[in-house]
Amino acid sequence: QKEVEQNSGPLSVPEGAIASLNCTYSDRGSQSFFWYRQYSGKSPELIMSIYSNGDKEDGRFTAQLNKASQYVSLLIRDSQPSDSATYLCAVNRLGGSQGNLIFGKGTKLSVKP
Amino acid sequence: NAGVTQTPKFQVLKTGQSMTLQCAQDMNHNSMYWYRQDPGMGLRLIYYSASEGTTDKGEVPNGYNVSRLNKREFSLRLESAAPSQTSVYFCASSELGQGAGGYTFGSGTRLTVV
Repeated sequence: QKEVEQNSGPLSVPEGAIASLNCTYSDRGSQSFFWYRQYSGKSPELIMSIYSNGDKEDGRFTAQLNKASQYVSLLIRDSQPSDSATYLCAVNRLGGSQGNLIFGKGTKLSVKP
Repeated sequence: NAGVTQTPKFQVLKTGQSMTLQCAQDMNHNSMYWYRQDPGMGLRLIYYSASEGTTDKGEVPNGYNVSRLNKREFSLRLESAAPSQTSVYFCASSELGQGAGGYTFGSGTRLTVV
């Protein structure tokens, strides 16, 4: 089982809609969860972090965490074409050859005008 | 603040040549990382340094060496480049240990080995 799994997409939503991105993880000991946005040809940029169960809102972005079900999601409200990017889920894990932050392979989001 | 600075941004090497990718951060972070990103493979950790004076292998260390020169700088060396090392390389740093605070990434180095 892959440690952090995301649907690779592409996920296509119309402008103004809600985009929902999902991520599951395998390590029950994980405590820190992150969403990165990566535009084509650019580096990953941290947009959200969440550490406890429930929702965390920041502007148009909402991160949701459910540790019992081992999933974390990102909602983007009022999606804009500028939100078109690949979104990486990252989960911390203690030790191991992959370091302390394990990344999913990303979901590509396309917002159509 | 510059954050994490990587040089060079682009490089073309011939098979067998060597080169060093430079990374420096000005955020006083303890931990630094080198990743490579290939289509369909995601980010894969090459080496990391949890603190000044320590380095550890990541998921794909073969063909690479690293040096944590001081708290600010973490370099990645390819001793004898191979076409399989064609990739985009990212350096990252973090303030907190155990991945607690997330990573800050540099802008990347696009390396092509011919």
